[in-house]
Amino acid sequence: KAGVTQTPRYLIKTRGQQVTLSCSPISGHRSVSWYQQTPGQGLQFLFEYFSETQRNKGNFPGRFSGRQFSNSRSEMNVSTLELGDSALYLCASNPYGGSGANVLTFGAGSRLTVL
Amino acid sequence: GENVEQHPSTLSVQEGDSAVIKCTYSDSASNYFPWYKQELGKGPQLIIDIRSNVGEKKDQRIAVTLNKTAKHFSLHITETQPEDSAVYFCAASYQGGSEKLVFGKGTKLTVNP
Repeated sequence: KAGVTQTPRYLIKTRGQQVTLSCSPISGHRSVSWYQQTPGQGLQFLFEYFSETQRNKGNFPGRFSGRQFSNSRSEMNVSTLELGDSALYLCASNPYGGSGANVLTFGAGSRLTVL
Repeated sequence: GENVEQHPSTLSVQEGDSAVIKCTYSDSASNYFPWYKQELGKGPQLIIDIRSNVGEKKDQRIAVTLNKTAKHFSLHITETQPEDSAVYFCAASYQGGSEKLVFGKGTKLTVNP
């Protein structure tokens, strides 16, 4: 059974650019969450999608956005990149759609470096 | 607000010894507490979890205990091996119809051969 697939694994951008990251959840999983991981702040929740709807959003500026497609694949976008956006962006999928088990399976992440 | 504190931030043990990592949480409504292990270059991997209706759970050399009254939970690793070296994260779930986890800052465990 394939795990959570994130692309690209590594990317370098410059300030002011935008970036789109992609996540393919485990087959059959309908909930996808995104987390930002930095050495200083640790793992922070960005947002969660279920059935193409954003169900919860973390405390990040509007430059961070996401969406989910009908096949449960998800993308997140960061516009007007800042140096502080350099981080490992992790996607996690969950088989439960409702107020369920919260059992997350993480992908390997996309490491973004902003110069 | 929601907060999970994790201690210690680094832990070094000799192979064969036990390791204990402790976490406290702030929201008494939390009812799900997973532990993740993250190795270099990889995403976090769930190693064990516990729900609020259970006080202790074991899986081979790994155990987790939960004290809901005191709002703390702990990870215990016995007979540590070099391959246990990694960063460990605790988390708490604040359910509200979504799958949001609040993570501790992590513990870097080093098992010396």
